[in-house]
Amino acid sequence: EVQLVESGGGLVQPGGSLRLSCATSGFTFRDRYMDWVRQAPGKGLEWVGRTRNKARSYTTEYAASVKGRFIISRDDSKNSLYLQMNSLKTEDTAVYYCAREGGYCSDISCYTYFDYWGQGALVTVSS
Amino acid sequence: DIQMTQSPSTLSASVGDRVTITCRASQSISSWLAWYQQKPGKAPKLLIYKASSLESGVPSRFSGSGSGTEFTLTISSLQPDDFATYYCQQYNSVWTFGQGTKVEIK
Repeated sequence: EVQLVESGGGLVQPGGSLRLSCATSGFTFRDRYMDWVRQAPGKGLEWVGRTRNKARSYTTEYAASVKGRFIISRDDSKNSLYLQMNSLKTEDTAVYYCAREGGYCSDISCYTYFDYWGQGALVTVSS
Repeated sequence: DIQMTQSPSTLSASVGDRVTITCRASQSISSWLAWYQQKPGKAPKLLIYKASSLESGVPSRFSGSGSGTEFTLTISSLQPDDFATYYCQQYNSVWTFGQGTKVEIK
């Protein structure tokens, strides 16, 4: 059974930092591209960023709203995904989900969706 | 970024009703569209990918159609477990989601 379990959420002041973790099991983590998606209270879903696998040099991509402040990393030996959030703003308040990509990738392009999600971790940025 | 617009925002329906939700893309996304179901306090759950492919384990009363810029999610006979919020998502380029459609009890 595929499982993704986030941890590390909490209350942080504006300008502060927080690190989320996502522990996974039930699939070959090292082969997969993994993502973070967030949802502000009462709002819709927003993609945050992605990490590719070792075959693609662990390259990352980020949404414009978090680029330069958030860093996604992974530890394949621990089957875990991380989100380091720096210079946090009140508008970063959200439930953060880790998600596994499913779908199709070639050397040229990727067409992937999110086939498994964690239960989410609430991050509240407030003074 | 590609904008995704869902309609309606809220839908009131009864058990047994046929329900249709529409999703429009601001530019062509071929068939690179997914649908998700989300219940309060829970993570989204994948229902449909590539516009019309049913995810394993999802009941056959759910179906998707469309290509290009216009897509629909249909629930053929609404069940009590289906009252939730539904999101479309394009994956032709950087992922973007629709704003959601809440299906509530009439």
